[in-house]
Amino acid sequence: DQQVKQNSPSLSVQEGRISILNCDYTNSMFDYFLWYKKYPAEGPTFLISISSIKDKNEDGRFTVFLNKSAKHLSLHIVPSQPGDSAVYFCAASAGHKLSFGAGTTVTVRA
Amino acid sequence: NAGVTQTPKFQVLKTGQSMTLQCAQDMNHEYMSWYRQDPGMGLRLIHYSVGAGITDQGEVPNGYNVSRSTTEDFPLRLLSAAPSQTSVYFCASSYRSPMNTEAFFGQGTRLTVV
Repeated sequence: DQQVKQNSPSLSVQEGRISILNCDYTNSMFDYFLWYKKYPAEGPTFLISISSIKDKNEDGRFTVFLNKSAKHLSLHIVPSQPGDSAVYFCAASAGHKLSFGAGTTVTVRA
Repeated sequence: NAGVTQTPKFQVLKTGQSMTLQCAQDMNHEYMSWYRQDPGMGLRLIHYSVGAGITDQGEVPNGYNVSRSTTEDFPLRLLSAAPSQTSVYFCASSYRSPMNTEAFFGQGTRLTVV
């Protein structure tokens, strides 16, 4: 039973526009949330994170929003660039264990 | 700056064979972990270690063994490979628990069991 769900397997966006990736979770014990980015034939790389005591964290073009009452977080990428084409994984932690979503493949069109 | 190194990158095994996936990190990280990635499932935690001599089970530990005799190395052993273990395996390390610090991943090992 997946505790972290990314319901959109793919997203296509035009270069320069906003990409919005969504993630839902079921475990109310999760206290830290992370986004990882993965290119083909490479390992995931850390992108941005947010603690459960915050509702927003921003790092350059990337912003993560957390809505604890809805058990929902989202990643905004503005503006989207061709190099952002990758698989994005949402992850959530409780204790020493990290649970990942299934990933969303983002394609940025020129 | 090697980071996290996994070997081999590709492997084909016959059902019932055993093998060890190697993982080494040169960042002096205490925390190391193994994940498997399957289509539609994301990454699932197999085993993890919070330091040399300490290991624990993750979400999908059955069929896998680990040990952590040094800070640098965290091998994953498949004792008797099964087709259900066909997957891409990733090793990761972090300075502390990856729950609130960045985890660094290796490039992965693509394993096929026939």
